[in-house]
Amino acid sequence: NAGVTQTPKFQVLKTGQSMTLQCAQDMNHEYMSWYRQDPGMGLRLIHYSVGAGITDQGEVPNGYNVSRSTTEDFPLRLLSAAPSQTSVYFCASRTGQGLDSPLHFGNGTRLTVT
Amino acid sequence: ILNVEQSPQSLHVQEGDSTNFTCSFPSSNFYALHWYRWETAKSPEALFVMTLNGDEKKKGRISATLNTKEGYSYLYIKGSQPEDSATYLCAVYDRGSNYKLTFGKGTLLTVNP
Repeated sequence: NAGVTQTPKFQVLKTGQSMTLQCAQDMNHEYMSWYRQDPGMGLRLIHYSVGAGITDQGEVPNGYNVSRSTTEDFPLRLLSAAPSQTSVYFCASRTGQGLDSPLHFGNGTRLTVT
Repeated sequence: ILNVEQSPQSLHVQEGDSTNFTCSFPSSNFYALHWYRWETAKSPEALFVMTLNGDEKKKGRISATLNTKEGYSYLYIKGSQPEDSATYLCAVYDRGSNYKLTFGKGTLLTVNP
């Protein structure tokens, strides 16, 4: 199993550009989520999904869109990048059987918006 | 937003020392607490998931306890080794969180050889 795979690993965008961060998991996990990590802050939840076709907002959803058309994939879209979105982004998944299942994280995407 | 506090922010210990750090959270509506280890240039990896008051979990030299009535968890490392150097993250679900796991800011542990 590859686990949780994120692409790209690094990305530089100009303000106003759009892009999609990809996340795929091969563990048949129902729950998937996106977090961002900023200096001095804890991991903050952007969006999450409890299954295909179902998404919801986390703590910091503004400026980001998500969709979940398959169990395996959960892409994060930046529609018009802003410097405030410079961050390290982590995708994480877990089984949907309960909140006591641990999260499995991808290796992260480091995004810089100039 | 759930407030999850970790202390200390960072600490330095010598190889062989035992150490512990704290995660505090609101005790009302508690559901589950997770501990993760996050090594530099890697992704967080789960250590423990704890749900019951009085829970104790152990993995090698690392152990954790949970007190849901007073809203805290301790993570202990016995005989620290340089490879234990990492950021240790605590995260909490409460019953009102609607599937949102809230993370603390972490404790950065550095073990000097």
